[in-house]
Amino acid sequence: GAGVSQSPSNKVTEKGKDVELRCDPISGHTALYWYRQSLGQGLEFLIYFQGNSAPDKSGLPSDRFSAERTGGSVSTLTIQRTQQEDSAVYLCASSFGLAGSDTQYFGPGTRLTVL
Amino acid sequence: GNSVTQMEGPVTLSEEAFLTINCTYTATGYPSLFWYVQYPGEGLQLLLKATKADDKGSNKGFEATYRKETTSFHLEKGSVQVSDSAVYFCALTQRQSSTYSGAGSYQLTFGKGTKLSVIP
Repeated sequence: GAGVSQSPSNKVTEKGKDVELRCDPISGHTALYWYRQSLGQGLEFLIYFQGNSAPDKSGLPSDRFSAERTGGSVSTLTIQRTQQEDSAVYLCASSFGLAGSDTQYFGPGTRLTVL
Repeated sequence: GNSVTQMEGPVTLSEEAFLTINCTYTATGYPSLFWYVQYPGEGLQLLLKATKADDKGSNKGFEATYRKETTSFHLEKGSVQVSDSAVYFCALTQRQSSTYSGAGSYQLTFGKGTKLSVIP
């Protein structure tokens, strides 16, 4: 079946612009996670959705970052007024979300470059 | 909080050599433990996992045993191939109670990754 998909695969933007990153999880997966992968910080958790609710936003680095999920499916991560330190690969993962042993399946990521 | 420490790379081995990548963790209670792999130009994919103490995860010739007494989950393979060249990440999940709502999440906490290069 189809895996997790993300778009765009690459995004180059200028400092101060807003960007939207999209994630399509595996059908039937209620849990959706956003992570960020950067050279300096490794892989960091950003936000977690269960259905359309985001009970854990503890990883969002600033109030410039926000995310939503609609219909229990597609999620959008928005970064406002982008800064150069936002440059990273943004990864989305989904799982059944019922237990810690559930496997999280990752998308290919969106590489964001802020000039 | 939770943390994962894995050996720093890069690691370069000859084909058919034995591989060990060390991983230790800090967590309260009983986390689930994972190894993820990222092949060049590809996304993260699960390699193996173990969900309770003394469990052994295995896949594609790789193995790792959940050791509660040493808080470790070392990755091993008896004979590596060129196709095993990738970055390997050790990770754990444990139910995190949100400070916002009290609801739980199972976010992954990752180690920094170990790059493995296997030469013919």
